Amino acid sequence: QSVLTQPPSASGTPGQRVTIFCSGSSSNIGSKPVTWFQQLPGTAPKLVMYSNNERPSGVPDRFSGSKSGTSAFLDISGLQSDDEAEYYCASWDGSLNGYVFGTGTKVTVL
Amino acid sequence: QITLKESGPTLVKPTQTLTLTCTLSGLSLSTGGVGVGWIRQPPGKALEWLALIYWNDDKRFRPSLKSRLTITKDSSKNQVVLTMTNMDPMDTATYYCAHDTRDVNWYGYFKHWGQGTRVTVSS
Repeated sequence: QSVLTQPPSASGTPGQRVTIFCSGSSSNIGSKPVTWFQQLPGTAPKLVMYSNNERPSGVPDRFSGSKSGTSAFLDISGLQSDDEAEYYCASWDGSLNGYVFGTGTKVTVL
Repeated sequence: QITLKESGPTLVKPTQTLTLTCTLSGLSLSTGGVGVGWIRQPPGKALEWLALIYWNDDKRFRPSLKSRLTITKDSSKNQVVLTMTNMDPMDTATYYCAHDTRDVNWYGYFKHWGQGTRVTVSS
């Protein structure tokens, strides 16, 4: 059972901007940094954002992250076909004393 | 280059104990700030964090599974071992190990992941 809630799906046409949100609580997103992962079908998750808004080396600057209160956001601008994937948010939860993941959002490029 | 690789059985019977090994390369389990976590993903479902062990042997477990999980490290072999007792068909999943590192504020996050190993629980 996931503690962080995400919309099941999001979509856009090539070149558009898509925003994925992740809703948590004061014990996780509200007080701890958020990480985002991209998972292509049949592959392991790949880190695309950490510390709320830091991009790892190699991740295009079309990806950006932000946080407000107990919600976090991943923006993908200039949507491309290879952005089509499942995206998961994650954070540490101080009450559970462990990591929590989001429910996942499937991004479709129309 | 940091890589992680999971190994273990692909099929276990109900009530048996699962033992999975994560072998690290390009990364030392003795280095301060380093951790290794285990995450699983049932078919078609979301990621689920299971356990975490740090360089100093500190450990964390998913509360709902804590009684079934053990995590240990062998720094000389650069390996982390996860055991899960009393396996059930509901534990069928792909199991990943991941490198937990620290940001500038010393908060952890999973930076590198193994390819995953599929485990099926069936009689």
